Formats: sequence, structure tokens, C-alpha cells
Amino acid sequence: GENVEQHPSTLSVQEGDSAVIKCTYSDSASNYFPWYKQELGKGPQLIIDIRSNVGEKKDQRIAVTLNKTAKHFSLHITETQPEDSAVYFCALLLGDSGGYQKVTFGTGTKLQVIP
Amino acid sequence: DTEVTQTPKHLVMGMTNKKSLKCEQHMGHRAMYWYKQKAKKPPELMFVYSYEKLSINESVPSRFSPECPNSSLLNLHLHALQPEDSALYLCASSQVGLAGETQYFGPGTRLLVL
Repeated sequence: GENVEQHPSTLSVQEGDSAVIKCTYSDSASNYFPWYKQELGKGPQLIIDIRSNVGEKKDQRIAVTLNKTAKHFSLHITETQPEDSAVYFCALLLGDSGGYQKVTFGTGTKLQVIP
Repeated sequence: DTEVTQTPKHLVMGMTNKKSLKCEQHMGHRAMYWYKQKAKKPPELMFVYSYEKLSINESVPSRFSPECPNSSLLNLHLHALQPEDSALYLCASSQVGLAGETQYFGPGTRLLVL
């Protein structure tokens, strides 16, 4: 099966600094790479995603970059705020023959933004 | 509307009890999923329904029994659970497609088995 490594497992930054989380994968057929944010006591929420035909995507303070050759993708959060504190999961999906999606999640990064 | 709802939010049950978890979405998604999440771990896939038919069962013990009564509802029936089954149970839904479709998650049901 697909393997996704996510680093770091924990990350503490000062408010206003940037945070970067990186994931590497092994299956070159992966074609969709979402990032989820999970706050305490809640389900994962999609924050940004990127498809394999795009190298970078930005949404306000959040950006994702994808390097298909090197098989890694990264989440960049700029001007971090305390409400960015959460666990972040990278994920990748392969379209299955039945049309449904099997998701492989990274191991998660606990981000703490210190006011 | 990208909302998936789950009830109950919390559930405490004994090992001899029978209970059910419920999930609902009105986004017209035809794929629905159950995940189990232990503390400090990523979600683990349990079941996938596609067009109301069970498509994937990730070797889940028979004490977990999924049901998809219609395209908007997904249930997970629980019977004779073990304490190690205590976890956050997440429901998700997505469009059905080959290009990689976003999965939208509900808030989860936090289950404690005594």
C-alpha cells in the first residue's frame, strides 16, 4: 500500500512566524493531495488541496507546493495566529476502479502557535 | 453546504450493549465512509459505501456492522464491543469519481467502551 511520511511530528512557532510541514510519498500514481486541520474534539477539516498537474496553490496565508519528481508536498502557513494551533494531516488519494476514494493519511503534525 | 452531521457526539456503552452511530449528509455525495481514530493517530478507514453498496471492508471485526439505508444516511451498528474499541468514530462523504474527490468529515462520535 501507499506510504506517507510526515514531518515534523510537533512544531512550535511564535505568533507571526511561518510554519512548514512536509510529506513524502512512494506511489507515483497518486494524483490528489489534500491537507486537513483537526482541532481538539473535532473532525478533520479540509484547508487546501492540490492536484498532480499543479505545482503550487495559495489561499490567503496557506500555500501548498507539490514536487512530483521528488514525491513530496508541503504545507506553508505564513503569519501564524494562535487559532492555527491544531493537528495537521497531509493525505493523498488514488482514484479507485470503483470510483470511490481510498485515502492514505500522514502521521500528523501538532502545531502550536505561541502568542 | 459542506456539512456532514453525526449523532451522538458522545457515547458510553458496556461490552454487552447494542448501540448505533448515525451520519447524514445532503451534498448529494454517493460515497460515504467510516473511519476510526485513536488519540494522536490519523484516521483509519473501516468501511466505504459507494452508491449505497458496501465497497470496502478493511478487515473490521463483525462486532461493527455498517448500514447505508439511503444515499444521505450511514449507520454503524455496534454490538459486544471491547474496551480497545474506544475511539473517535468519523464519518465522511465524497463525490464518486476517478480524479480524486475531496472527502468531507463530520465532527465524530467519541465512544467509550467500559
